Amino acid sequence: EVQLLESGGGLVQPGGSLRLSCATSGFTFSTYAMAWVRQAPGKGLECVAWVSHTGSGTEYADSVKGRFTVSRDKSKNTVYLQMNSLRVEDTAVYYCAKSVSPAWVTSLDHWGQGTLLTVSS
Amino acid sequence: EIVLTQSPDTLSLSPGEGATLFCRASQPVGRNYLAWYQQKPGQAPKLLISGASSRVTGIPDRFDGRGSGTDFTLTISNLEPEDFAVYFCQQYDTSQVTFGQGTKLEIK
Repeated sequence: EVQLLESGGGLVQPGGSLRLSCATSGFTFSTYAMAWVRQAPGKGLECVAWVSHTGSGTEYADSVKGRFTVSRDKSKNTVYLQMNSLRVEDTAVYYCAKSVSPAWVTSLDHWGQGTLLTVSS
Repeated sequence: EIVLTQSPDTLSLSPGEGATLFCRASQPVGRNYLAWYQQKPGQAPKLLISGASSRVTGIPDRFDGRGSGTDFTLTISNLEPEDFAVYFCQQYDTSQVTFGQGTKLEIK
C-alpha cells in the first residue's frame, strides 16, 4: 500500500524558515516524480514545487520561486520542501503527492494527509 | 501558465440526478494531459480521471471525462450521496502544472 506522510508544519513568523518532509513507502521511490501541492484555507489547489525521479529536475510556481527548494533523498524514501522568507500568504495545508510518471509531474495518484503551515506574527 | 477556469462554481443537485462540470483552458492542453480530482472536507484530493477520459482503477463508470483542446467536461450520472464534494481539474501539459479553482457539487 502506497503511503505518504508529511511532517514539519507549524506556526512560523513572517520571514522565517521551515522544512517539510514527506516520508514514503509502498512503492519504488526512485521511479516517480513527487510534488508539493498547497491549499490555503477554503481555497483551491496550487502545485508549488515538484522534483523528478532522479532529483535532477525541479519546477516551482512563480509564487515561491527563489524562496522554496524541493529535494529528495532516495536512501530515506523522503521528499523535502525547504521554505525560506515565508509570507502570510504561504499559510496553507501542504500536501505531498506522487506523480504517475517519473520525469515530471503528471496526474497525482497518491496524496498524503497534509501538514498545516501557518505564517503569522 | 495555462489558466483553468471551472464552471459552475457551485452545482446544486439531488441524488439520482446527473451532473456536468466544465473546465476551460486558456490555451490548448496538448496530448489531453488533463486530470480530474474529487476532494471531500478534511481529506486530500483523490484522482478520478487522467488523460482527460481514462478512469482510475476503482472509480465507478458513472464518472465520465471527455474533451480536448481547451474544453473538458466531467459528467457524473446517477449521483450517489458520496459524490457530493469539490471537484478540481488539473493540466499537466506544461512543466508548471495548474489546477482549476474547483466546482462544489452540493446536495439540493
